Amino acid sequence: GAGVSQSPSNKVTEKGKDVELRCDPISGHTALYWYRQSLGQGLEFLIYFQGNSAPDKSGLPSDRFSAERTGGSVSTLTIQRTQQEDSAVYLCASSLAGQGGEKLFFGSGTQLSVL
Amino acid sequence: GQNIDQPTEMTATEGAIVQINCTYQTSGFNGLFWYQQHAGEAPTFLSYNVLDGLEEKGRFSSFLSRSKGYSYLLLKELQMKDSASYLCAVRDRWQAGTALIFGKGTTLSVSS
Repeated sequence: GAGVSQSPSNKVTEKGKDVELRCDPISGHTALYWYRQSLGQGLEFLIYFQGNSAPDKSGLPSDRFSAERTGGSVSTLTIQRTQQEDSAVYLCASSLAGQGGEKLFFGSGTQLSVL
Repeated sequence: GQNIDQPTEMTATEGAIVQINCTYQTSGFNGLFWYQQHAGEAPTFLSYNVLDGLEEKGRFSSFLSRSKGYSYLLLKELQMKDSASYLCAVRDRWQAGTALIFGKGTTLSVSS
């Protein structure tokens, strides 16, 4: 596609439920990142995929969070047993890895609200 | 540890010049980025510095001093549309393609 696509754009869920957030990166981009942004805060790194390498999961805040990337393209971020503190905008970005100055291209994000 | 500091908020008037500072302390360094984020929108790339000095791109310029762990974004001839959050981000490892670490952003308000 022309840009990074994320779905859904908004998600409201009840505390304790599981949610899945989807990211469709720019075609040909080998690197994919998940960040989250709470109101008035910067971007918090969650997880990074690069080609067939093992993902960098160092930013995941707890074992309730997981992500996978199928076929080197679409990625799904799963949050199990959601908590109110999980409420945030979840941003996905992709890039052409292999260059130090590569730009990240961001999707419009998923606004997650946990009631 | 990793730490990136920016002022939280700045205000300026149309036509003026504003400088947004960023200091960083990271375990490694492989480039510094500035992104612009309008309210409710995704961040978009503004600039990239990996060597010391000034990079100019139209009304926007970015400066880097690696020895001081310091960068600034300079915005000239401010316009109302420049009202946005400006995010400083550092790639802290030598491997290209590693994740960017972002600061909390500086919210710039431009008034007429």
